[in-house]
Amino acid sequence: QSALTQPASVSGSPGQSITISCTGTSSDVGGYNYVSWYQQHPDKAPKVIIYDVNNRPSGVSNRFSGSKSGNTASLTISGLQAEDEADYYCNSFTGHIYVFGTGTKVTVV
Amino acid sequence: EVQVVQSGAEVKNPGESLKISCQSFGYSFTNYWIGWVRQMPGKGLEWMGLFYPGNSDTRYSPSFQGQVTISADKSISTAYLQWSSLKASDTAMYYCATTRDGNTRWDYWGQGTLVTVSS
Repeated sequence: QSALTQPASVSGSPGQSITISCTGTSSDVGGYNYVSWYQQHPDKAPKVIIYDVNNRPSGVSNRFSGSKSGNTASLTISGLQAEDEADYYCNSFTGHIYVFGTGTKVTVV
Repeated sequence: EVQVVQSGAEVKNPGESLKISCQSFGYSFTNYWIGWVRQMPGKGLEWMGLFYPGNSDTRYSPSFQGQVTISADKSISTAYLQWSSLKASDTAMYYCATTRDGNTRWDYWGQGTLVTVSS
């Protein structure tokens, strides 16, 4: 079970929009609408920000949105803010267990 | 209020055994999956395995099958991650997380347990 592929880093200026891709296979991302995204600040536990491709948990900013096309899922952060600087991981169900993406460091420049 | 509380940091020698814990509060323990996640220093998140206390369904990621054991004690709403013989490469932060059966959103996370294996 290989990790899903994400870009190592993405940067943007405050107020801009950025998109993080997450590429898997038909056995994970492409096979199920069970892709979630997690935000992790340094030395903190991960926090779910998107689940089931495009749903936001209560309390998560609507600046975060998700989508999926084929074997690739995407997370878009609009109106980038300094507090969005963190690591982001996609996660997909595989039919048996789950697999995370390789992680993307988002820098607000 | 749901809380997931993990046991404290551990420092062990190679070859020693270890069992770390994850205790849940505020929800029905038997209706939620428990997952264990490894994060090696400076690296990404990796699923190690899942456990469903309702029927003891246990699933391991291929990389961790045979390397660790996941279990639980329903009477005290506590899940465990166990090693029989630690290696230096087991040095990592370990998180437990929970999701309600039927959901795929891992809502509640423990604070993490740092395991250091060094001679």
